[in-house]
Amino acid sequence: AQSVTQPDIHITVSEGASLELRCNYSYGATPYLFWYVQSPGQGLQLLLKYFSGDTLVQGIKGFEAEFKMSQSSFNLRKPSVHWSDAAEYFCAVAHPSGNTPLVFGKGTRLSVIA
Amino acid sequence: GAGVSQSPSNKVTEKGKDVELRCDPISGHTALYWYRQSLGQGLEFLIYFQGNSAPDKSGLPSDRFSAERTGGSVSTLTIQRTQQEDSAVYLCASSPLGQFQYFGPGTRLLVL
Repeated sequence: AQSVTQPDIHITVSEGASLELRCNYSYGATPYLFWYVQSPGQGLQLLLKYFSGDTLVQGIKGFEAEFKMSQSSFNLRKPSVHWSDAAEYFCAVAHPSGNTPLVFGKGTRLSVIA
Repeated sequence: GAGVSQSPSNKVTEKGKDVELRCDPISGHTALYWYRQSLGQGLEFLIYFQGNSAPDKSGLPSDRFSAERTGGSVSTLTIQRTQQEDSAVYLCASSPLGQFQYFGPGTRLLVL
């Protein structure tokens, strides 16, 4: 069965520090990979996606993620966190055909301290 | 342009009542998805529409849940005889063919 694991439920970082959120997946083939962000009371906003090609993908708000097939991972990174980045982050996968439901991880809540 | 919209934004109902949740996808998006987000279960898929047909209903938790889509556009998720465990945020997403999903703001349902 397809599954996504985000091992960190909650992470706290200082403003200006670097950030890495972990995501591992279990899937029969290389899936499409996504990171979404959800601010309190808001819907999900797409940060970045990987379909194929370059394994380092750039997203919005200064985020990037690296796909590592050998580790079945798609970790999200940001070199310098801003207070406005405090939110819940969800990693998700979908079948490479594209028109299939997303399978989400449980999410990682990011807190940013001064 | 307009994004995915959902109504109502909040709904409080009594146990046993029926509720209807509406989703207006982005114009021209052929695919439409419903998900449920709850504290204990995270984000769960409910049902997927391609046009007006639903090739995947595997996530609907019981026969109290149903959904329809008309005109390849608006979708309604209906929950009959609501139970307290139905309390959650119901999210709708739409996508063009083969692309990523755009999410609406969700409907927060509270069953008392």
